[in-house]
Amino acid sequence: GQQVMQIPQYQHVQEGEDFTTYCNSSTTLSNIQWYKQRPGGHPVFLIQLVKSGEVKKQKRLTFQFGEAKKNSSLHITATQTTDVGTYFCSITGGGNKLTFGTGTQLKVEL
Amino acid sequence: KAGVTQTPRYLIKTRGQQVTLSCSPISGHRSVSWYQQTPGQGLQFLFEYFSETQRNKGNFPGRFSGRQFSNSRSEMNVSTLELGDSALYLCASSLSWTSSYNEQFFGPGTRLTVL
Repeated sequence: GQQVMQIPQYQHVQEGEDFTTYCNSSTTLSNIQWYKQRPGGHPVFLIQLVKSGEVKKQKRLTFQFGEAKKNSSLHITATQTTDVGTYFCSITGGGNKLTFGTGTQLKVEL
Repeated sequence: KAGVTQTPRYLIKTRGQQVTLSCSPISGHRSVSWYQQTPGQGLQFLFEYFSETQRNKGNFPGRFSGRQFSNSRSEMNVSTLELGDSALYLCASSLSWTSSYNEQFFGPGTRLTVL
């Protein structure tokens, strides 16, 4: 089945710095979702991207879907300690089956 | 509206035993999916139920099974537990089952430790 590779695996930033995580697929995707999981918590849905070249913003978070629909990115501007957690991309495999990327663990230092 | 609930939250079992985990979806949600999360393998899809029927299945051995009741509550069962089954088991509910994505809401998970 389809898979997504996610990089980097870890990212350690100072508060106020920007952060970006990337998801890449070798095949064209119909859509991609992004989830956030806080330490000790469960995944929480952030957004879904469907259209080629789509860009969506949620406050300091910017999500992009590549023109070829083979990659996506999540960019956080001026990170805060509340951004700490693991960010996952996911793709659907029919119905509600999600295939998750390996996740990027973000740590933010004061 | 209450979120997805999972019971128990923590469980310790020994190898060879079996375990049943329970998930109550958000009221009105009819689809329930189960995921296994481990540090090594990440988040992996187990199976999905909608209207008491299994709609999707992941690549897990037959020791992993599930079911869904008429009230949409779901249970998953793992028989003959192995050490590698130690994981966080997450349940996710969504409103319906279609060919396109439906937003999924995850429960807090059941942390299973196999000794």
